[in-house]
Parts: sequence; C-alpha cells; structure tokens
Amino acid sequence: RKEVEQDPGPFNVPEGATVAFNCTYSNSASQSFFWYRQDCRKEPKLLMSVYSSGNEDGRFTAQLNRASQYISLLIRDSKLSDSATYLCVVNTKTGNQFYFGTGTSLTVIP
Amino acid sequence: NAGVTQTPKFQVLKTGQSMTLQCAQDMNHNSMYWYRQDPGMGLRLIYYSASEGTTDKGEVPNGYNVSRLNKREFSLRLESAAPSQTSVYFCASTVGGGETQYFGPGTRLLVL
Repeated sequence: RKEVEQDPGPFNVPEGATVAFNCTYSNSASQSFFWYRQDCRKEPKLLMSVYSSGNEDGRFTAQLNRASQYISLLIRDSKLSDSATYLCVVNTKTGNQFYFGTGTSLTVIP
Repeated sequence: NAGVTQTPKFQVLKTGQSMTLQCAQDMNHNSMYWYRQDPGMGLRLIYYSASEGTTDKGEVPNGYNVSRLNKREFSLRLESAAPSQTSVYFCASTVGGGETQYFGPGTRLLVL
C-alpha cells in the first residue's frame, strides 16, 4: 500500500469555482502534513502546512482528520493561475522522511 | 540568498557512463534529500542526509550513491547509468524535524 494516495484527476473547473482535493495516508505515526504546488516542469513549492485544527490562507483551506488519516485542500474562487499539480506530503519524524502523493492535476478554464 | 541550487540542469548520458549531480543550499539547513520524479509515480526518495556526516537510503537507492560533502552540499552519483534512471532529479533541504522542504530547480537526465 502506498504511504500517501491522491486522486490524480485531472480536475477541469471554470474560473470562480470551488474545488476540493483529498489525500489519505497510511502511517498513523505521521506528524507533519503539507500541500505543495508544482507547475509544469518546475520544482514543488510549499502551498501550505496542514495543522490539526485546520487552517486557511486566503482562498485556500486545509483540513486534517487524524482519525481517518485524511487530508483535504479546498480552493475557493479558482483563478487561472491556480492551474498546477497539487501534491500531498506527509512526514514521519522518526524516519525523517517525507512521502509524496502522485499529485492531483488542476486546470482552471476561462 | 539563492536557496537550493542544482547542476547540471540537463544531461544526456549513454548507458554505462557515470556522472555526479551537484546540490547546494545556502539556508544553513541540516537535512538534505535527493528525489526522482517519474510520470505517474510522484516523487520518490533516493537518499537523504539528516545532518552533516550522515546519509541514509530512501525508497529507491539502488544504482545511486551520495556524499554529504559539508553542511551545504549533497551530491548524487550514478556509477553506471541505465535507461531506467532517466528521470527528473530534485534536491531538497529542510531545517530538520519534519519542517518545510525547499527544492532545487531539478536536473533532467536522459540515459540512452
């Protein structure tokens, strides 16, 4: 079983739409959770960390459900510039390793 | 402050050739990582170095070696390249302890 699983999409949504991505992780000892964004042929860049109480950064909201081992990302009022691949990332501090999902592709259509 | 830098950006090798991918960070980070990214596979960890002087295998270490030269530099060596090693290679660093990773721009490697 993969450490982190994501729906690969693709998600094609109109500008202004709300879209949600989900991610599940297999290791209950996981400690840190992140969403990264990766543009075509570029390196991944941190979008936001995910905290137990949930957190929001502008149009982006991340949620963590430890009981279900589930992470989500909600994007409101989608912009063309949101088109990218979104990577779910989990860290198990004891191993100092980060595990990446395969990514969810989003295209925002004018 | 350049962040994480990688050289080269692109490389074409013939099967059996060797090469070293270079990575350096100027953020005084303790931990450094090498990943490969293949279509449909996501990023997979090759090797990592939790701190200067230590290295550990990741998920896909076969065919690779690493050197943590000092706190700033972490190199990845392919001793005898194979077509299966055609990939995009990313170096990353973090302060440590599961904190945010910062990535280099990547090296695109083609092995013929």
